[in-house]
Amino acid sequence: DAGVTQSPTHLIKTRGQQVTLRCSPKSGHDTVSWYQQALGQGPQFIFQYYEEEERQRGNFPDRFSGHQFPNYSSELNVNALLLGDSALYLCASSLVGAGANVLTFGAGSRLTVL
Amino acid sequence: QKEVEQDPGPLSVPEGAIVSLNCTYSNSAFQYFMWYRQYSRKGPELLMYTYSSGNKEDGRFTAQVDKSSKYISLFIRDSQPSDSATYLCAMRVTDSWGKLQFGAGTQVVVTP
Repeated sequence: DAGVTQSPTHLIKTRGQQVTLRCSPKSGHDTVSWYQQALGQGPQFIFQYYEEEERQRGNFPDRFSGHQFPNYSSELNVNALLLGDSALYLCASSLVGAGANVLTFGAGSRLTVL
Repeated sequence: QKEVEQDPGPLSVPEGAIVSLNCTYSNSAFQYFMWYRQYSRKGPELLMYTYSSGNKEDGRFTAQVDKSSKYISLFIRDSQPSDSATYLCAMRVTDSWGKLQFGAGTQVVVTP
């Protein structure tokens, strides 16, 4: 079972650029959540997708947007990158409802903004 | 003030000792409590979750929740060097599936 896969694993961008990160959920999971983890901090919730719709959103600006595809995979897009967007971006998948207590995380995409 | 407070450590213990970790929180609406382990350059891995107050045991791990004090704990018995990692507490409200509030994580080092 392949778990959650994320790509790319590392990337470097400059301020003002745009980035797209991709996530394939664990087989059988239908919900994808995205988190941002700054160095030395715990993950912070960005948003969650279920049935191709954004269901919940954390305290992140509109520069952060996402999408879920019919096969449950997901993308995270960040526009107008700032230095402060440098972080590890984690994708987590789960089943809706009671299955939400069991999030499976990917290894993350490490974004560096110069 | 953060909703979830967790001492960042590092916490260094000798092999075989009991590791004691804890978090405090301010939101009384939290009902589900989790502990994740994160190795360097990896994503968090769920260790245990509990609902409301009480204790839960799984092998060498014991999780405790005291909602009256807004305090949760994780104990690791017979610690091994392979337990060296960052331990993150997380919690959520009932109708907010997938949206977890994490602590900052405690770095644990188990020395042989």
